[in-house]
Amino acid sequence: TQLLEQSPQFLSIQEGENLTVYCNSSSVFSSLQWYRQEPGEGPVLLVTVVTGGEVKKLKRLTFQFGDARKDSSLHITAAQPGDTGLYLCAGAPNAGNMLTFGGGTRLMVKP
Amino acid sequence: NAGVTQTPKFQVLKTGQSMTLQCAQDMNHEYMSWYRQDPGMGLRLIHYSVGAGITDQGEVPNGYNVSRSTTEDFPLRLLSAAPSQTSVYFCASSYGGDPDIQYFGAGTRLSVL
Repeated sequence: TQLLEQSPQFLSIQEGENLTVYCNSSSVFSSLQWYRQEPGEGPVLLVTVVTGGEVKKLKRLTFQFGDARKDSSLHITAAQPGDTGLYLCAGAPNAGNMLTFGGGTRLMVKP
Repeated sequence: NAGVTQTPKFQVLKTGQSMTLQCAQDMNHEYMSWYRQDPGMGLRLIHYSVGAGITDQGEVPNGYNVSRSTTEDFPLRLLSAAPSQTSVYFCASSYGGDPDIQYFGAGTRLSVL
């Protein structure tokens, strides 16, 4: 059983649609990170959220950390084919713990 | 800017063979980690190191060995390859702060026949 559950596992949408990806846990995290991975490459950090209720925006991407610091969401507005990839959330239960990764959401945006 | 470099990019082994996956970083990071990535499983931690001479086991350490003789290098050894070790392997390095941001290599795709 994974500590971090991501949903959906797969998402295929048309260009211009909006979408939300979820990362849920029964555990509290000191921080949560979102990574994006393209085929043949390693994951690259998109954002880190550290405060309960925190909202961060990165162009068309909006990240939110739950008030209880047990969950996070990633919302993409007007998705583009360049958003295609594997989105991973990761967190550490406490400062100094090694990161635990969720199973990932594979997003495909069709032109 | 090299960052984290992994070699080889692809490898095919026969069951029972041994090999070493190489990982080097040029960012002077103290922390280095090895993960394996399987479909639907995200990244699972194999072994990690918080500094030269210090290593520890992660979530899935069986069948793998590591050492950290220098800050820059963190090789992963498969002692006797098994088909269950077919996977994509990623090395990562970080400063080890809070939050701990990982910088990943491009991965090694390993098939064990």
